[in-house]
Amino acid sequence: GESVGLHLPTLSVQEGDNSIINCAYSNSASDYFIWYKQESGKGPQFIIDIRSNMDKRQGQRVTVLLNKTVKHLSLQIAATQPGDSAVYFCADYSGGYQKVTFGTGTKLQVIP
Amino acid sequence: DAGVTQSPTHLIKTRGQQVTLRCSPKSGHDTVSWYQQALGQGPQFIFQYYEEEERQRGNFPDRFSGHQFPNYSSELNVNALLLGDSALYLCASSPGVLAGLELFFGEGSRLTVL
Repeated sequence: GESVGLHLPTLSVQEGDNSIINCAYSNSASDYFIWYKQESGKGPQFIIDIRSNMDKRQGQRVTVLLNKTVKHLSLQIAATQPGDSAVYFCADYSGGYQKVTFGTGTKLQVIP
Repeated sequence: DAGVTQSPTHLIKTRGQQVTLRCSPKSGHDTVSWYQQALGQGPQFIFQYYEEEERQRGNFPDRFSGHQFPNYSSELNVNALLLGDSALYLCASSPGVLAGLELFFGEGSRLTVL
């Protein structure tokens, strides 16, 4: 079936460095792609989204890149901080009501 | 402004029992979705409620049912519990069924089935 998956289960980054979290998707009909952050013991928190007709979107310290040719999505976090330590999920949405399909997740560990 | 609240936070049941989980959406939100998150996995969509009706359903058996009340709060019911139902159950709300994708999640109800 259609799925959204991540390349790496765990990513360790030095504090202050940039982080890049990658995601592959298979549903070419997806309208939106979304990144969520989930800290331990909490529910997922929306970070940023991107429409399928865009290839880049920037937020505060975060940038999402979309490459539809290879069905690849990435989240870049600038100047990674200890508070960025969490599991990051990419997710997609393909229309209709708000059925959002999540990937497995990447755990980001920030080394002080 | 209270966010999405869920209860109970933790519960333990045995196989074959039934469970009811509750969710109050964020103030101003009228749409509630439920997700199941197994350990180490991403959340899986169960169903969504809007205007007190189930609007969309994921790949879950009929043992999973829900309800939305006039005040927009919602319940998730699971009958005939199986060991595999052990998971974190997340409720998410939004200000309208087609209002966008910034879902607001609660902290979840951790269900353990023994």
